[in-house]
Amino acid sequence: DAKTTQPNSMESNEEEPVHLPCNHSTISGTDYIHWYRQLPSQGPEYVIHGLTSNVNNRMASLAIAEDRKSSTLILHRATLRDAAVYYCILRDPNRGSQGNLIFGKGTKLSVKP
Amino acid sequence: NAGVTQTPKFQVLKTGQSMTLQCAQDMNHEYMSWYRQDPGMGLRLIHYSVGAGITDQGEVPNGYNVSRSTTEDFPLRLLSAAPSQTSVYFCASSYRGFGANVLTFGAGSRLTVL
Repeated sequence: DAKTTQPNSMESNEEEPVHLPCNHSTISGTDYIHWYRQLPSQGPEYVIHGLTSNVNNRMASLAIAEDRKSSTLILHRATLRDAAVYYCILRDPNRGSQGNLIFGKGTKLSVKP
Repeated sequence: NAGVTQTPKFQVLKTGQSMTLQCAQDMNHEYMSWYRQDPGMGLRLIHYSVGAGITDQGEVPNGYNVSRSTTEDFPLRLLSAAPSQTSVYFCASSYRGFGANVLTFGAGSRLTVL
């Protein structure tokens, strides 16, 4: 299974942009890049996903490198509520039973007022 | 729209006791799964189901049983609880189909085995 590498932790100031990196050098052509986050004492929640092109939604943007070996989750203006563990995950929807999401340890984002 | 509902939220068991963690979703999702999360760790997949009557093992299935008699429910059974099963358990569900399946998670069930 393709794996991802993320920094263990990052810090940000409130209302500043945050760039969370993820390396996935062994990604296959059909792997989607997913991002989930987990707020303290809550279940993970979906943030964004993409395949090849950059993606935007109301929560964040996902910038995918041209060779797809890395990606960056961008929070445009961090708030205190964005303090969470962010997981970068690869998933191939065509792998059927093997296409389950595999969570690593993620990046713990701290946001300072 | 309740999403994914897990009960109970907290449970304390003694070693050797059995119990069932309940998971229900009202989104007509075909795919459901159970994860466990230990302190400072990511989530590990226990069992999953791609539809009613179909279940399969994940990464850490030992000590747990599941069944899927309806689309809505996916209970997780601990047959003989052990201290190593002390963890937070999350249930998740999603549609199946072409493209990336987005998981919706429950709020979690915190289990302590003494």
